[in-house]
Amino acid sequence: KQEVTQIPAALSVPEGENLVLNCSFTDSAIYNLQWFRQDPGKGLTSLLLIQSSQREQTSGRLNASLDKSSGRSTLYIAASQPGDSATYLCAVGLTGGGNKLTFGTGTQLKVEL
Amino acid sequence: EAQVTQNPRYLITVTGKKLTVTCSQNMNHEYMSWYRQDPGLGLRQIYYSMNVEVTDKGDVPEGYKVSRKEKRNFPLILESPSPNQTSLYFCASSKQLTSGGIPQYFGPGTRLLVL
Repeated sequence: KQEVTQIPAALSVPEGENLVLNCSFTDSAIYNLQWFRQDPGKGLTSLLLIQSSQREQTSGRLNASLDKSSGRSTLYIAASQPGDSATYLCAVGLTGGGNKLTFGTGTQLKVEL
Repeated sequence: EAQVTQNPRYLITVTGKKLTVTCSQNMNHEYMSWYRQDPGLGLRQIYYSMNVEVTDKGDVPEGYKVSRKEKRNFPLILESPSPNQTSLYFCASSKQLTSGGIPQYFGPGTRLLVL
């Protein structure tokens, strides 16, 4: 059974700092990995999707990497801003699992002025 | 605007009173699913549907029903809600998975409290 773990569970950083969020998964037979952002009272916003054949994806100040063999993904946020404060979730789609996503429990990020 | 909508967004009910949470998408997606989110447990899949009239159980289906009579709609039905179904519910949709590059889109969530 696929298990997804995110460390740390919470993180507080000063504005402007570069930071890394970690995601690990137990089954390397993945189809893709998706990073989401969740704001209080709102739904999940997809940030980046990495296919199993890819090593990384970039969007603006965000960069996500994938290492299937070690079962790890990282989300790098450059020059953090208070507006980046949210909970970040990683979700893994398994090969043969259809469209089902297995989620981690998230990292709650607070960027302080 | 491409979106997944859910109604209601907030709901307080009592044990045993049947309720339905609606989900609709305007992207002509084949795949739709329901998740619940609980503290410390993350999001867990309740039911999913690969297309019209095709539904199947996810990881935590007990106490829930779904139907898929139209491609755009995928309602979640709680026939006899219990307090352990108090949770935050999300509906999601995507094109049918043909490659790893298919993202999923999520609705805004429905916060349910069962007294």
